[in-house]
This record gives sequence, C-alpha cells and structure tokens, in this order.
Amino acid sequence: KNEVEQSPQNLTAQEGEFITINCSYSVGISALHWLQQHPGGGIVSLFMLSSGKKKHGRLIATINIQEKHSSLHITASHPRDSAVYICAVRSRNGGSQGNLIFGKGTKLSVKP
Amino acid sequence: DTAVSQTPKYLVTQMGNDKSIKCEQNLGHDTMYWYKQDSKKFLKIMFSYNNKELIINETVPNRFSPKSPDKAHLNLHINSLELGDSAVYFCASSQGWTGRLGEQYFGPGTRLTVT
Repeated sequence: KNEVEQSPQNLTAQEGEFITINCSYSVGISALHWLQQHPGGGIVSLFMLSSGKKKHGRLIATINIQEKHSSLHITASHPRDSAVYICAVRSRNGGSQGNLIFGKGTKLSVKP
Repeated sequence: DTAVSQTPKYLVTQMGNDKSIKCEQNLGHDTMYWYKQDSKKFLKIMFSYNNKELIINETVPNRFSPKSPDKAHLNLHINSLELGDSAVYFCASSQGWTGRLGEQYFGPGTRLTVT
C-alpha cells in the first residue's frame, strides 16, 4: 500500500461544479503539498500546508493532522482546471527526512 | 524569465549510451531535486542537493549521478542507459526543505526515451 493515497483516481465534472479531491497518508509529515500537472506535462505547486486551511482564488486546501487527511477543493470549476492533481507529503522521519512522497494523482476533466 | 529550466526537453538515445540532463534555477534557492516520473505518471524522488552537498540519496542505480557545480545548477548524469530508464525527469528547487520552508518549483521536464 502506498504511503500516500488519493481518491478518486479519475474525476469528470461539469463546468461550474464544486470538486473535492482527497488525500490520506500514513507517515509522520512536516508538510503536505498539492501539485497540479498540466496536460502538457508541466508541474506547478498549488499549496504547501502543515495545518488548517489555505485559499488561493477558487482553490482551497485543508489538512487534518490528527486524521492524516487533506482535501483540495475547486469551486466553480472550469475546463481550464482539467489536469492531474498530485498530493505529496514531506516525511519528517529518519533517513528520508525532507523527501517528498507522492500520491498517484487524480486526473480531473471538466466538461463545458 | 524561467525560474527552473532543464535541457534538453527531449532526449532519444540508444541503450548503453551515457547522457546528461542539465538543470538551472535563478530563484536563489539552496536546495535542488531530481524526480523521475514513470510511464504510469508516478513521481518519485531521486536526489536532492542542499548547499552543494547531497543530503538525500534514494536507492537509485549508481549509473545515475547528480553533479552540482554551484548552487544554481544540478545536473543528472546517466551511464550505460537501459530501456527502463525511459521516463520524464523533473528538476525542482526550493529554499530549504524543512518546516515551513520547502515549497518547490519545478522545471518543465525532460522526456528521455531509450531505444
């Protein structure tokens, strides 16, 4: 079992819908990242968070450290939001301290 | 100005060859990384460098060697290329990697195809 699990694996939505992508992890972490990989392959960091909630435009990321769970929400989704969203955690333990451990990504497709 | 750049963008080569991928960042960051994304789009850390010292070395084959001539560059050299090395390789950088620091900026990726 991967140390970082995302759900769903694939998600199709209609334009305007509210979207939630979930991430659960099993290791001790110092931070959690949400990344966006565009269809062309480029990767952009959306959020890095270690507690609470962050908001940037239509994107909101939350984390619950006790439950080892994070969610990424997209409000008023748009076709340009279509991408793969990747959750990654930074381990704080042992020799892998500082490593990013990645989930397998959630492929989002927003239809007009 | 591109923050993190990689060259080449595409690299096609034959098994057994030696090749290098270059990475440069102009963000003034002190930590740089190499990631491999396989055919299933799964990302995995390969190396990271902090202040010119290797601080994390994952269990990658020793045919892969990172070289950092200065804080702004982290090149990836691969010897005796194998078919399984075909993947997209991403370089990234951050300012620090612990605590609140460590937001990472990614390069555009280098698609390596070994034939």
